[in-house]
Amino acid sequence: RKEVEQDPGPFNVPEGATVAFNCTYSNSASQSFFWYRQDCRKEPKLLMSVYSSGNEDGRFTAQLNRASQYISLLIRDSKLSDSATYLCVVNTNGQNFVFGPGTRLSVLP
Amino acid sequence: DTEVTQTPKHLVMGMTNKKSLKCEQHMGHRAMYWYKQKAKKPPELMFVYSYEKLSINESVPSRFSPECPNSSLLNLHLHALQPEDSALYLCASSQDRTGDTQYFGPGTRLTVL
Repeated sequence: RKEVEQDPGPFNVPEGATVAFNCTYSNSASQSFFWYRQDCRKEPKLLMSVYSSGNEDGRFTAQLNRASQYISLLIRDSKLSDSATYLCVVNTNGQNFVFGPGTRLSVLP
Repeated sequence: DTEVTQTPKHLVMGMTNKKSLKCEQHMGHRAMYWYKQKAKKPPELMFVYSYEKLSINESVPSRFSPECPNSSLLNLHLHALQPEDSALYLCASSQDRTGDTQYFGPGTRLTVL
């Protein structure tokens, strides 16, 4: 089993749609969690950290379920500019940051 | 300022060449990382420096040689690379290694002929 797994994608959604991405991790000792987005041929950029109580930043909501070892990202009212690959990243005990394989999102006009 | 800079942006080299990639950050971060990313794949960790000491080497071939001259700079020396080493090389930094957010540089796109 891979250490971090994500929905395989791609997701093709119309503008204004709500889309949810899922991520699971295998190491129960994992301590910090992030969502990054990566545009084609660019570097990953932090979208948001994921906190135990869940957190929201505008149209983006992240949730963490430690018991199920599951992280989610919800995007509401999707924009064309949200088209990118979304990477789930998990850090365990200050060791490596492990990236999931990414889920590609295309928001269509 | 959450900026990590990398030079060069693009690099083409032959298999017998020696070249270096450079990374710099002025955020006072004490952990710096090299990643390799192939097309349509996530970044793969190569090396981690923590407080200027190499703390993780993910079984990277010796033709890649990292160096951390000071807390702001990270180099990756390249020698006798293979065509399959062509990739985007990303540098990142974080406050330390205890789970803080990583900030990535724009990367160096390397082509080995």
